[in-house]
Amino acid sequence: SQKIEQNSEALNIQEGKTATLTCNYTNYSPAYLQWYRQDPGRGPVFLLLIRENEKEKRKERLKVTFDTTLKQSLFHITASQPADSATYLCALTRGGSQGNLIFGKGTKLSVKP
Amino acid sequence: GAVVSQHPSRVICKSGTSVKIECRSLDFQATTMFWYRQFPKKSLMLMATSNEGSKATYEQGVEKDKFLINHASLTLSTLTVTSAHPEDSSFYICSPQGLAQSGSQFFGPGTRLTVL
Repeated sequence: SQKIEQNSEALNIQEGKTATLTCNYTNYSPAYLQWYRQDPGRGPVFLLLIRENEKEKRKERLKVTFDTTLKQSLFHITASQPADSATYLCALTRGGSQGNLIFGKGTKLSVKP
Repeated sequence: GAVVSQHPSRVICKSGTSVKIECRSLDFQATTMFWYRQFPKKSLMLMATSNEGSKATYEQGVEKDKFLINHASLTLSTLTVTSAHPEDSSFYICSPQGLAQSGSQFFGPGTRLTVL
């Protein structure tokens, strides 16, 4: 069955450093992969989408890579700030409709001042 | 991004009662609505998909008679948890999709249901 894993349940880093989060998937070849931010008690907020034919995508301090051979995506936040502290979710489209998503459990990022 | 609202944001009810959750897509027409739920420290799981004016399609393991979905208009969908039990306590999140979207998906703020 399709599986998506975010290896780290939690990641603690110092302000100003780069946070790198990992997402791996198996038994699947998604057309695209998405990253979301989720704050406690809130719904996910879309951050970035990367397509299978794209290696890298950037948006301000965020960078996502997508390696379809390794079946892995890396999500980077450069110059991290305490306000970046949240849970970050990786999601793959299951096929058919774009809203039919499989989510990872998320990585809780804590940025210390 | 799209503006999505959910009401109520949190609800506490007694076991055996029914609870209705509303999801509104405020700035685009939601031809499709996805309903997810999230248990503590677990990933979001898709419960059902509904197209406006049609019956919902439920994921494996989700009881269609327990989780009633109505998607009668392009801006409103409701999820009713019938005869709620403590194991139904969860965070319910809707996600509308319109014809014009292209890859990214937007979610409501969620409804925290606690069944005593």
